[in-house]
Amino acid sequence: EIVLTQSPDFQSVTPKESVTITCRASQSIGGSLHWYQQKPGQSPKLLIKYAAQSLSGVPSRFSGSGSGTDFTLTINSLEPEDAATYYCLQSDSLPLTFGGGTKVEIK
Amino acid sequence: QVQLVQSGAEVKKPGSSVKVSCKTSGGTFSSYAFSWVRQAPGQGLEWMGGIIPMFRKPQYAQKFQGSVTITADESTSTVYMELSSLRSEDTAVYYCATGALRYFDWLLYWGQGTLVTVSS
Repeated sequence: EIVLTQSPDFQSVTPKESVTITCRASQSIGGSLHWYQQKPGQSPKLLIKYAAQSLSGVPSRFSGSGSGTDFTLTINSLEPEDAATYYCLQSDSLPLTFGGGTKVEIK
Repeated sequence: QVQLVQSGAEVKKPGSSVKVSCKTSGGTFSSYAFSWVRQAPGQGLEWMGGIIPMFRKPQYAQKFQGSVTITADESTSTVYMELSSLRSEDTAVYYCATGALRYFDWLLYWGQGTLVTVSS
């Protein structure tokens, strides 16, 4: 089973700041890494697929990069509505596995 | 656009079973890879397993082998997840999700979640 380790667990930032979340895989997963945003009481929302592919309707301030074992999600110029928990998901091999999550708080 | 509508909240006794449904609309049901993901209160996301209806054979995370059964009914475009021998630790929100065709991959479409509470 591939283990995904996210860091940090928690980050408190002011609006307009940038945030970088990392996700490290226990073995190489190529580019099969996807990023989700989850707000309290809501289902997860896909932000980025295959490490860096943006999705229609997702604000351009969200971007992803990386390959192999190290990946990052960057949120530029944070907005208040970006307060959420962010998860990475790998689909290189079954079982699919998620990272532990990073909670982003807006000061 | 695929829509997933899950069955309602359940309260179960320890040792019993629960079956959660996920009715889909839009898209080609038999080709989608449907996953079940659970989230315990205040915790992260956990993939339990999934099924691609056209292939019929479900896949399970090792942790859930023997306790979860995932099935698909093509006549009603509905996917089911049954969890048996319930314990308090199974209290969670259970989501069905899908996205890719014929392969377990990114999950774009999610159901609204079903809260299962296990309590004596």
